[in-house]
Amino acid sequence: AQSVTQPDIHITVSEGASLELRCNYSYGATPYLFWYVQSPGQGLQLLLKYFSGDTLVQGIKGFEAEFKRSQSSFNLRKPSVHWSDAAEYFCAVGAGYGGSQGNLIFGKGTKLSVKP
Amino acid sequence: GAVVSQHPSRVICKSGTSVKIECRSLDFQATTMFWYRQFPKQSLMLMATSNEGSKATYEQGVEKDKFLINHASLTLSTLTVTSAHPEDSSFYICSAPTSGRSDTQYFGPGTRLTVL
Repeated sequence: AQSVTQPDIHITVSEGASLELRCNYSYGATPYLFWYVQSPGQGLQLLLKYFSGDTLVQGIKGFEAEFKRSQSSFNLRKPSVHWSDAAEYFCAVGAGYGGSQGNLIFGKGTKLSVKP
Repeated sequence: GAVVSQHPSRVICKSGTSVKIECRSLDFQATTMFWYRQFPKQSLMLMATSNEGSKATYEQGVEKDKFLINHASLTLSTLTVTSAHPEDSSFYICSAPTSGRSDTQYFGPGTRLTVL
């Protein structure tokens, strides 16, 4: 069965420090992988996605993620965190991308707090 | 990017009443929309897939007679929680995938339902 694991429930980093949020997936075929961010009162916003090709994916707001098939991982990184990055981050795997190819399966999320 | 709205953003109702939640794609058409439920500190769990012009498909364990879904047009899907009970209190989120090459799901801001 498809599943997504985000091992860290809550992470606190200092502003300006680097960040890595972990995500592991279980999926039988080539996965379509996503990272979303959810701020209080806001909808989920797509940070980046991986469908195929280059395994290092660049997203918005300075985020990037690397797909490692051998480790079944898709970790999210940012070299220097800003206070505005404090939010909940969700990793998700999809059977396809959008449309009739199916829904997304989400991890439980990692809450990011940023210290001044 | 594409915009998905939900209305209302918050609703409080008495046990036994029904509540309707609307999900609209504002600047694109969506033949498919997804309805998710998010419990506190939990991930998003898919409830059902809303299909324009046909019946919704429900995930295992989701009561279709309790959570009525109507995909009235290419830009509107509604979720009606019938005879709501306190255990139905949750955060309900819809998403709509765009078609074409980007084929990305866009999420609504969510509806907080509290059943007294």
